[in-house]
Amino acid sequence: AQSVTQLGSHVSVSEGALVLLRCNYSSSVPPYLFWYVQYPNQGLQLLLKYTTGATLVKGINGFEAEFKKSETSFHLTKPSAHMSDAAEYFCAVSEISNDMRFGAGTRLTVKP
Amino acid sequence: GAVVSQHPSRVICKSGTSVKIECRSLDFQATTMFWYRQFPKKSLMLMATSNEGSKATYEQGVEKDKFLINHASLTLSTLTVTSAHPEDSSFYICSARDLSVSGNTIYFGEGSWLTVV
Repeated sequence: AQSVTQLGSHVSVSEGALVLLRCNYSSSVPPYLFWYVQYPNQGLQLLLKYTTGATLVKGINGFEAEFKKSETSFHLTKPSAHMSDAAEYFCAVSEISNDMRFGAGTRLTVKP
Repeated sequence: GAVVSQHPSRVICKSGTSVKIECRSLDFQATTMFWYRQFPKKSLMLMATSNEGSKATYEQGVEKDKFLINHASLTLSTLTVTSAHPEDSSFYICSARDLSVSGNTIYFGEGSWLTVV
């Protein structure tokens, strides 16, 4: 079955600094990969997803992620952090016929 | 706008009672829906896969007699927490797969906060 590992349960950056949230996956078939954001007491919001085609995926709020098959990674980045980016971020993997599996989540803190 | 709707968004029930949470796909038919549970400050854990017209498939460790799932139509799946206990208090969220859209599009509901007192 597919699985996801998020490295770092908590990441702290300064406002304006680069955001890098790491995600590695395991899948027996070419995967579909997702990043979701969750603000306190709210549901999930899709940031971006990779299905096929271009390996660099751009999402909402200035985030992007690159699918690297050789590294089985799908790291999330943003060039310049905003205070409003503080939230919990989840990486997820899905195989076409299966359900979605989530990583443990990474809490992003943005310092002024 | 939302394409998957959950109801209720928040519910408080007494220990020993049962509570039902609904998950509806608004703009598409969903033969498969998924139910997740999230403990405070934890990730989402898949509870079960709900298949329209057939029995749900439960993940290991999930009590099927406690968490009853019914997927009676292509747009509605329900999760019933039976004989609820305080430890069942959690955030429950459903998702539905839209097969009409390429790329394995999965939409999530807004989630339901259950508090058992």
